[in-house]
Amino acid sequence: QVQLVQSGAEVKKPGASVKVSCKASGYTFTGYYMHWVRQAPGQGLEWMGWIKPNTGGTNYAQKFQGRVTMTRDTSISTAYMELSSLRSDDTAVYYCARDPTGSGWYYYFDRWGQGTLVTVSS
Amino acid sequence: DIVMTQTPLSLSVTPGQSASISCKSSQSLLHSDGKTYLYWYLQKAGRSPQLLMYEVSSRFFGVPDRFSGSGSGTDFTLKIGRVEAEDVGVYYCMQGIHLPLTFGGGTKVDMK
Repeated sequence: QVQLVQSGAEVKKPGASVKVSCKASGYTFTGYYMHWVRQAPGQGLEWMGWIKPNTGGTNYAQKFQGRVTMTRDTSISTAYMELSSLRSDDTAVYYCARDPTGSGWYYYFDRWGQGTLVTVSS
Repeated sequence: DIVMTQTPLSLSVTPGQSASISCKSSQSLLHSDGKTYLYWYLQKAGRSPQLLMYEVSSRFFGVPDRFSGSGSGTDFTLKIGRVEAEDVGVYYCMQGIHLPLTFGGGTKVDMK
């Protein structure tokens, strides 16, 4: 069955970077876009961007441009999201989410990782 | 960015009664292919969101038929026919056609 397993919780100081991993199994990793979505404590969902695993192509929300980098390692079916210059308001649960469409012009998520809590605190 | 507005903010429902959630988008979600790219997710407490409905009215695998979606253009509704205890959580709509992808603010459903 499809599974997305994310790395564990992180505590970072302001200004640092964090890299979250998302290991996919149960399907062909390169066949599906992977998105990243975050959720601040008690808040709603915020889309950060996607990566196309077969090419490494990315598309980031403008809000995160310059601070986020999405990469992948196809040999181990794993996607990564790195966020730099962390601030306290980056404290959130970060989710990876699989996109079943493969279209490149419309998107949604049919499977989600379990989430990774990133806490930014001095 | 497309703004997705959900109402109500919260809903307290008697088991077995129905519930409706509204979602309005600031731009049409109808594509030239004739499909409308509006999705519904449910996030149960402490869990990741799970897909309920895609393209307005299609239920995802395993979603009970007491869930139904309707609407067109910019106005959409999720209806739960007879609410059960397992339906509690926060419901989100999402538009899937304009980047950045955006979500409604969420509707919290709990039981009376």
